[in-house]
Amino acid sequence: GAGVSQTPSNKVTEKGKYVELRCDPISGHTALYWYRQSLGQGPEFLIYFQGTGAADDSGLPNDRFFAVRPEGSVSTLKIQRTERGDSAVYLCASSPNLGSSYNEQFFGPGTRLTVL
Amino acid sequence: KNQVEQSPQSLIILEGKNCTLQCNYTVSPFSNLRWYKQDTGRGPVSLTIMTFSENTKSNGRYTATLDADTKQSSLHITASQLSDSASYICVVIPTSGTYKYIFGTGTRLKVLA
Repeated sequence: GAGVSQTPSNKVTEKGKYVELRCDPISGHTALYWYRQSLGQGPEFLIYFQGTGAADDSGLPNDRFFAVRPEGSVSTLKIQRTERGDSAVYLCASSPNLGSSYNEQFFGPGTRLTVL
Repeated sequence: KNQVEQSPQSLIILEGKNCTLQCNYTVSPFSNLRWYKQDTGRGPVSLTIMTFSENTKSNGRYTATLDADTKQSSLHITASQLSDSASYICVVIPTSGTYKYIFGTGTRLKVLA
């Protein structure tokens, strides 16, 4: 498929564990974004990558959250010492570039994280 | 207070009927406003995009309006179909940080046969 893909689709973990969520953007898209969507809420911005670098990580809630994109394509969102409040759907989006404010972000299906 | 507020929170209508969803925002200045449809278990998909100078934009049975003076937008769905059942999210893109979409909480629409 040509869309944004995310794995796993569902992840159940225990409080205190470490998790990694993966995002495969649309081929050729240089910009990649992570959002968190809590139940009944709209997505909230976490971090934005332009190429390999995190251009804006101001949305990461605390230092337990970290994201990488080492080769400018696939990105991994890493959460350490998970807490029950981390339970949410984590959405990834990509866009061709940041040249225009009308650049559309294409979203993946999300990973539903449940922390028990 | 959310920068993008939507109403109603949820809505149930019969197939074939029309409906209008509302979005009030405080984000200013902004470059464009979008409406997204999010099916259960899926990522949001763009329906319409309007710049701050546009008043209306249509996409098939979906028509979005924008009043930048009152900071209100609406999404009108005509002749609803069962497949319209989804959450509809209003998104405002601020002029600064144009990648940092600001999402509303959405309206959950259920279309019944």
